[in-house]
Amino acid sequence: DIQMTQSPSTLSASVGDRVIITCRASQSISTWLAWYQKKPGIAPKLLIYKASTLESGVPSRFSGSGSGTEFTLTISSLQPDDFATYYCQQYNSYCTFGQGTKLEIK
Amino acid sequence: QVQLQESGPGLVKPSETLSLTCSVSGDSVSSYYWSWIREPPGKGLEWIGYIYYSGRTKYNPSLKSRVTISLDASKKQFSLKVSAVTAADTAVYYCARLDINGWLYFDHWGQGILVTVSS
Repeated sequence: DIQMTQSPSTLSASVGDRVIITCRASQSISTWLAWYQKKPGIAPKLLIYKASTLESGVPSRFSGSGSGTEFTLTISSLQPDDFATYYCQQYNSYCTFGQGTKLEIK
Repeated sequence: QVQLQESGPGLVKPSETLSLTCSVSGDSVSSYYWSWIREPPGKGLEWIGYIYYSGRTKYNPSLKSRVTISLDASKKQFSLKVSAVTAADTAVYYCARLDINGWLYFDHWGQGILVTVSS
């Protein structure tokens, strides 16, 4: 199984901050990586696929980068609606998810 | 805009079979892959398996022996069965749609349903 490790597990930030979440794969997954946003009681939302392709309708303040084993999700200027939990997911071999990064209000 | 909604019992007894249904609205089930994912309390998301509208399935090897996913295109529903459940199967279960090209990421999700395994 390919293991996905996110860091940090929890991140405290303020509206307007630039935040970066990191995801590391236990082996190379090329760019077969997606990012999701999840809020309690609401369907998870796809943000990015193929490591850096923004899903239609997702604000441009979200961006993704990386290849191989190291990936990042960047939110350029945090908005109140962005406080949520974020997950990375590899789909190079079946699919596995990271453990999540909870983005909290500082 | 496609919407997915999970339904089924919220409580299942140990050793019995967990059965859930996902209803799809706003789009056809044809030409897409449909999947189940779960999230045990305090743990990460775990992919369970998927079904193509043709009926072809693929399952997570760790669950394959206990899982069946089926699809009823006429009702625009697909279903999950997990047999011989234990407390470890307690989780929020999500249904989701795969990318149109069949890549194993999910562009639409249901909001999830909590299933507790307990006597």
